Amino acid sequence: GNSVTQMEGPVTLSEEAFLTINCTYTATGYPSLFWYVQYPGEGLQLLLKATKADDKGSNKGFEATYRKETTSFHLEKGSVQVSDSAVYFCALSVSPNQAGTALIFGKGTTLSVSS
Amino acid sequence: DAGITQSPRHKVTETGTPVTLRCHQTENHRYMYWYRQDPGHGLRLIHYSYGVKDTDKGEVSDGYSVSRSKTEDFLLTLESATSSQTSVYFCAISGGVTYEQYFGPGTRLTVT
Repeated sequence: GNSVTQMEGPVTLSEEAFLTINCTYTATGYPSLFWYVQYPGEGLQLLLKATKADDKGSNKGFEATYRKETTSFHLEKGSVQVSDSAVYFCALSVSPNQAGTALIFGKGTTLSVSS
Repeated sequence: DAGITQSPRHKVTETGTPVTLRCHQTENHRYMYWYRQDPGHGLRLIHYSYGVKDTDKGEVSDGYSVSRSKTEDFLLTLESATSSQTSVYFCAISGGVTYEQYFGPGTRLTVT
């Protein structure tokens, strides 16, 4: 079946440190891949996406590359800020009965950045 | 931000009572979804809609029903709420072309 596995959190970093959050997936066909971010008390916001192999999604200094050979979509940022503290979700899209799309989510990784 | 609102934002109800959550969008998107978020589980799909009056079940649909009589509104009903349905519920919309979904602010439901 389709699934997403994220590294367990919480991840605790100092400001300006390098961030990696690992994400691997299992899927039939060729899914699209996403990272969403959830700030405390809020809904999920789309952070970045990649729709085919070797695509790199990027936004707000975050990057992730769709690696088909390793079925991975790791999230990276070169220098984190306190404001990046949030829960990050990796997700993939599947298409139920070709009538729409559904997202399969990982369990989320909590990032805490201290100054 | 995508125009998605959810109501109510918070609700406390008793076991056995019916509850209806509303999702309203102003984007005219075809697809709408209901998810629940629970610690250790991420988000899981309850039901989704691919058009007015067209709905289907997701991964965790037992105990829930949905209706969509207008493009802009998608209702989630718990016919007889149970404590296991205490959760945060998120509505999402999608235009379907590029697969990304946009989420509402969520409804925190507590069943006592």
